[in-house]
Amino acid sequence: DAGVIQSPRHEVTEMGQEVTLRCKPISGHDYLFWYRQTMMRGLELLIYFNNNVPIDDSGMPEDRFSAKMPNASFSTLKIQPSEPRDSAVYFCASSWGHEQYFGPGTRLTVT
Amino acid sequence: GQQLNQSPQSMFIQEGEDVSMNCTSSSIFNTWLWYKQDPGEGPVLLIALYKAGELTSNGRLTAQFGITRKDSFLNISASIPSDVGIYFCAGQYPGGGADGLTFGKGTHLIIQP
Repeated sequence: DAGVIQSPRHEVTEMGQEVTLRCKPISGHDYLFWYRQTMMRGLELLIYFNNNVPIDDSGMPEDRFSAKMPNASFSTLKIQPSEPRDSAVYFCASSWGHEQYFGPGTRLTVT
Repeated sequence: GQQLNQSPQSMFIQEGEDVSMNCTSSSIFNTWLWYKQDPGEGPVLLIALYKAGELTSNGRLTAQFGITRKDSFLNISASIPSDVGIYFCAGQYPGGGADGLTFGKGTHLIIQP
């Protein structure tokens, strides 16, 4: 099993640019989660989906952030426009029950 | 939201020593999970606990689900250099479903040769 796949692994962009992060969950998992990790705030849940439907997006910082899951094998997290304070590592995780499995993360740097 | 207190925040130990870390909550949890994160990687699930009092081992790792359902600990015996990393606890509260997972802030484990 390939595990959760995220791309890109690293992204460096300038303030104001649009950023799109991608995730392929583990096949058969019906939950997908997007997290952000920073030194100051630790792991924060941004949004999660169940059967491709967004369930709770209360963790999304503001309207600049959006997430989609068009099918069971793909999800995107978009930031438009990006700001330096968005710099963090973004993780995607998927689960079938309570045990969440994380991808390797995307390290985003906004200059 | 639910709050988890994970301690210690960091540990500096000698290779071969045993390690103990714990998480506590003011609320009851139904599930406790322990993860390890290596630098530049995502958290990896180590142990999952589902019943109060449950004691589970995974190699040199042992974790327990506290009787009160408000705490859990993780022990590592005879630490080795590859144990270095950040260990996170995560708890799932009643009614939270698969989504109701709260993470601790992590314990940084540093092993001195």
